Amino acid sequence: SQQGEEDPQALSIQEGENATMNCSYKTSINNLQWYRQNSGRGLVHLILIRSNEREKHSGRLRVTLDTSKKSSSLLITASRAADTASYFCATDAGTGFQKLVFGTGTRLLVSP
Amino acid sequence: NAGVTQTPKFRVLKTGQSMTLLCAQDMNHEYMYWYRQDPGMGLRLIHYSVGEGTTAKGEVPDGYNVSRLKKQNFLLGLESAAPSQTSVYFCASSSRDRGPDTQYFGPGTRLTVL
Repeated sequence: SQQGEEDPQALSIQEGENATMNCSYKTSINNLQWYRQNSGRGLVHLILIRSNEREKHSGRLRVTLDTSKKSSSLLITASRAADTASYFCATDAGTGFQKLVFGTGTRLLVSP
Repeated sequence: NAGVTQTPKFRVLKTGQSMTLLCAQDMNHEYMYWYRQDPGMGLRLIHYSVGEGTTAKGEVPDGYNVSRLKKQNFLLGLESAAPSQTSVYFCASSSRDRGPDTQYFGPGTRLTVL
């Protein structure tokens, strides 16, 4: 079964606006990762946050993790049309070989 | 570096036919994975391998077999295809020795079973 549930399922914004998407998961994790998937392509890793971290930044991306609520959020600031993609969270329970369980994804549309 | 490559990119099968999907990676990764992606379902793990000659079942293994005869290759086989196996299949790999690490994905194979 899916570990992560993402919210919203779809998000439509204008260029320059911020986009926030959320991920909730069910079991204890070792780390949580966010991936981007452009239409018809494979997934590309964006950022990894460990269970002992609360916030992490990478360029225009900001990820937060609240292990007490079993939730994470991904913020994309000053969005661009090129950010249009589906975004997936993936949890690693730390079983020793990076077995990831993916959420259902958020489809982001950024209009010029 | 080509990263992770998959062949073929597209395939149409009739029910009952068999086929093999090939995944190759040139990053010397120990771990390799096969996922399927269906609309609204995210990615689900079919089988994975932690090293050459070793494979294990994932979340949805039924109807599939795998082999990892060489470290750089991971094959996914469908012995008797069913319409329920219509999906997009992704291969991924990751390194064992770098601790919590990212997975690198191939471009996918779109399979339709009629």
